[in-house]
Amino acid sequence: GQQLNQSPQSMFIQEGEDVSMNCTSSSIFNTWLWYKQEPGEGPVLLIALYKAGELTSNGRLTAQFGITRKDSFLNISASIPSDVGIYFCAGRRDNQGGKLIFGQGTELSVKP
Amino acid sequence: ETGVTQTPRHLVMGMTNKKSLKCEQHLGHNAMYWYKQSAKKPLELMFVYSLEERVENNSVPSRFSPECPNSSHLFLHLHTLQPEDSALYLCASSQGGASGANVLTFGAGSRLTVL
Repeated sequence: GQQLNQSPQSMFIQEGEDVSMNCTSSSIFNTWLWYKQEPGEGPVLLIALYKAGELTSNGRLTAQFGITRKDSFLNISASIPSDVGIYFCAGRRDNQGGKLIFGQGTELSVKP
Repeated sequence: ETGVTQTPRHLVMGMTNKKSLKCEQHLGHNAMYWYKQSAKKPLELMFVYSLEERVENNSVPSRFSPECPNSSHLFLHLHTLQPEDSALYLCASSQGGASGANVLTFGAGSRLTVL
């Protein structure tokens, strides 16, 4: 079945550093979503992307819908301790009945 | 209450027990979902209900039985589970029905441990 390959699987960074993670697939997607899950909570939507090449920011977070429509990127600038959590990408193809396919997640740890 | 509420937040059960997970959404959405989350794995879609009808059953074992009595409530009935069923079970809802589900709103999850 379809899979999204999300990398890296985990990151250990120093507070203040920038973070980059990505999601790739062999299939084309029409929508890319990025979620964050904090310990003991459910995933919360960060950014939604609907158009190839789209670049969208939400505070210190910036996500891009890859021009090939097979990938997406999430960047976090000047990380802070509350950025800790698991970041998931999710993709949707219009001909798949609206089903979202999720990546495996990137676990981010930030050292003060 | 706002958003998507799941109860209980933690559940420990034996393999012969029968228990239920409950989800309630206060967003006026018309589709509801059950996902299973295991460590280091992608979220696995289990069931989808759109306008109270089950539109997807993703090859889930019959020991998991969903129920959607109305558009705001969703249950997952559990019986004779196996230890490998231990996981975080997430409920989600969306507007526009399952086919228009661009964005899911998740609950905080029910952490299930099967002994």
